[in-house]
Amino acid sequence: GQSLEQPSEVTAVEGAIVQINCTYQTSGFYGLSWYQQHDGGAPTFLSYNALDGLEETGRFSSFLSRSDSYGYLLLQELQMKDSASYFCAVRSLHSGSARQLTFGSGTQLTVLP
Amino acid sequence: DTGVSQDPRHKITKRGQNVTFRCDPISEHNRLYWYRQTLGQGPEFLTYFQNEAQLEKSRLLSDRFSAERPKGSFSTLEIQRTEQGDSAMYLCASRPLSVARPKGANEKLFFGSGTQLSVL
Repeated sequence: GQSLEQPSEVTAVEGAIVQINCTYQTSGFYGLSWYQQHDGGAPTFLSYNALDGLEETGRFSSFLSRSDSYGYLLLQELQMKDSASYFCAVRSLHSGSARQLTFGSGTQLTVLP
Repeated sequence: DTGVSQDPRHKITKRGQNVTFRCDPISEHNRLYWYRQTLGQGPEFLTYFQNEAQLEKSRLLSDRFSAERPKGSFSTLEIQRTEQGDSAMYLCASRPLSVARPKGANEKLFFGSGTQLSVL
């Protein structure tokens, strides 16, 4: 099976940079995904890392290191609207569960003015 | 792209009653997922459909839970004899057939806003 660990809460001020870490235990996976969820809203896809390294999408970047079983989401130039929960997720290589995403428990980001 | 829609948004029921939720995925998406989410936790996988075939079910899905996707379009999730522990947000997600590009497309699920179930 898979397990993913994230900090439960992170607080930062508007305009700052924040990093949300994700450590995982899995016997094999396709890649690491990140989703954002505002209170009462639907989770929305942010980014995906299939390979080690950094992927950049606007103000958001995501990083993966398979050798360290670690990834992170980097949010730059924080805005108030970035206050939300952020989830890392993996999809197993094993055929019995390859179609499902397994999510971490999420990190609640609070952006202060 | 009208998005994934779920109905109802909220459902309050008494313990022991049956409830049914509906999900309408994005029209061209042949893959449909049900997830459950409790406060402060990430979504937990319940079941997966490819077209009308239910191909994966989680061990979380007790025999009180049943899901269908009869024509490969909308799906329903029924919970029989609800228990207080069933109180959660039930999320539906969909995605299209596997594609090679863009990178990450097969990892991108489109979620609905969910049905919040409260069992009293």
